[in-house]
Amino acid sequence: DTGVSQDPRHKITKRGQNVTFRCDPISEHNRLYWYRQTLGQGPEFLTYFQNEAQLEKSRLLSDRFSAERPKGSFSTLEIQRTEQGDSAMYLCASSPLRSDMSYSPLHFGNGTRLTVT
Amino acid sequence: AQSVTQLDSHVSVSEGTPVLLRCNYSSSYSPSLFWYVQHPNKGLQLLLKYTSAATLVKGINGFEAEFKKSETSFHLTKPSAHMSDAAEYFCVVTGTGTASKLTFGTGTRLQVTL
Repeated sequence: DTGVSQDPRHKITKRGQNVTFRCDPISEHNRLYWYRQTLGQGPEFLTYFQNEAQLEKSRLLSDRFSAERPKGSFSTLEIQRTEQGDSAMYLCASSPLRSDMSYSPLHFGNGTRLTVT
Repeated sequence: AQSVTQLDSHVSVSEGTPVLLRCNYSSSYSPSLFWYVQHPNKGLQLLLKYTSAATLVKGINGFEAEFKKSETSFHLTKPSAHMSDAAEYFCVVTGTGTASKLTFGTGTRLQVTL
């Protein structure tokens, strides 16, 4: 399977703990995105990378959240001091960067479901 | 800024009858619009996209959507529903620039009954 891979699929943690999620994009895709989806809502943009550079962060990404893509391949999203409000599905997506800058469809992973108790 | 409004949170149709999922958009420039589908425990899948070419866009699995600038709408239709179409559908608009950042609607859950 050469799609976007996310690990773990599910994570249950206690309030105050730190968690880290991993995303492996499609190998030739330069761009990588993180979205968050809460129950009954559409996904909300968190941040995106072009290669290893983090180019944009949403105001939703508080200082407890940090994302990295150190070698321009896989990415990690860490949440420190988790709160119950962090419970959500965290989605990763990737897309290629086209030379003409035209739109490239995003390919989504199956997500990591976080439950904070 | 851009946004989309999905007018129905839940739609129920009988198998074999037409499907209509409604979406209105707001954008200060010519938007690119999409419909994504999300099946339970599956990733989001692109159904179709409008990027300022033909206003009637055909997608996968028999779905299509028509971009109507005068009505600021981008409704999703299918002539005949199948049980396998039951899923959550999201209307989506691109963000500014070339980052392909997507702004999602709140979703419409499609139920297909026998």
